[in-house]
Amino acid sequence: DIQMTQSPSSLSASVGDRVTITCQASQDISNYLNWYQQKPGKAPKLLIYDASNLETGVPSRFSGSGSGTDFTFTISSLQPEDIATYYCQQYDNLVTFGPGTKVDIK
Amino acid sequence: EVQLVESGGGLVQPGGSLKLSCAASGFTFSGSAMHWVRQASGKGLEWVGRIRSKANSYATAYAASVKGRFTISRDDSKNTAYLQMNSLKTEDTAVYYCTKTILTGGFDPWGQGTLVTVSS
Repeated sequence: DIQMTQSPSSLSASVGDRVTITCQASQDISNYLNWYQQKPGKAPKLLIYDASNLETGVPSRFSGSGSGTDFTFTISSLQPEDIATYYCQQYDNLVTFGPGTKVDIK
Repeated sequence: EVQLVESGGGLVQPGGSLKLSCAASGFTFSGSAMHWVRQASGKGLEWVGRIRSKANSYATAYAASVKGRFTISRDDSKNTAYLQMNSLKTEDTAVYYCTKTILTGGFDPWGQGTLVTVSS
C-alpha cells in the first residue's frame, strides 16, 4: 500500500501570507496526486488535480507542484475563506489520502 | 446539476449490518466509477473502496480495513451505488461520503455524507 504523509499537521498564518504544505508518498506515484479543501461540516472540494492543474473555478492563489514522491501545495496569499483542512490524495495505486493539514488565521 | 445524495446511515450494534445508498443525478452514472470515503469525527479522510463501470467489468477494490466485510455494488438502471457493511466494528463509526471519479482523476462532486454509528 502507498502511504502519504503531510507536513505540517497544522499551521497558523496571517491574511496575505504565503502558505506551503508538503506531501510525500512512500513510493513513486508520478503525478497522480490531487489536493482537496475541506471546511468544517462540509464535504471535501477538489482544488488541484494531477499535482499541478487547477480545477475549474478555483482561485489562482492556489497552486501545486511536484512529481514522483514529493509534492507541494501553495496558497500565495492567504484569505479568511481559506480556513480549512487540506488533504493530498494519491490515485496511482488504489487511493490513499494524506492525514491533512489544518490551516487557520493567526 | 451534478448531485450525489447518500442515505441509509444510522445506529447499529457491533457485529451488525447496514446498507448505504448513493443516488446520482445530473451526469451519466453508468459510465462513472463510484467511490466511498469515510471520515471519523475529528479525523481525516479514509478511502473505503470503489466500483468501476460496466465497461470496466464493474471491478471493485477495497481498503484493507474493510476488505471482506464491506461490498460495493451499483444499479445503473436506478443511478444508485450501494455500500453493504457487515460485521461492523465500533471503529467503522464515521460519516460516509460517496463521490465519483472525473476525467482529470480527481473526485467530484461529493455527497453530503451519511452518519454511521456503531455502538451497543
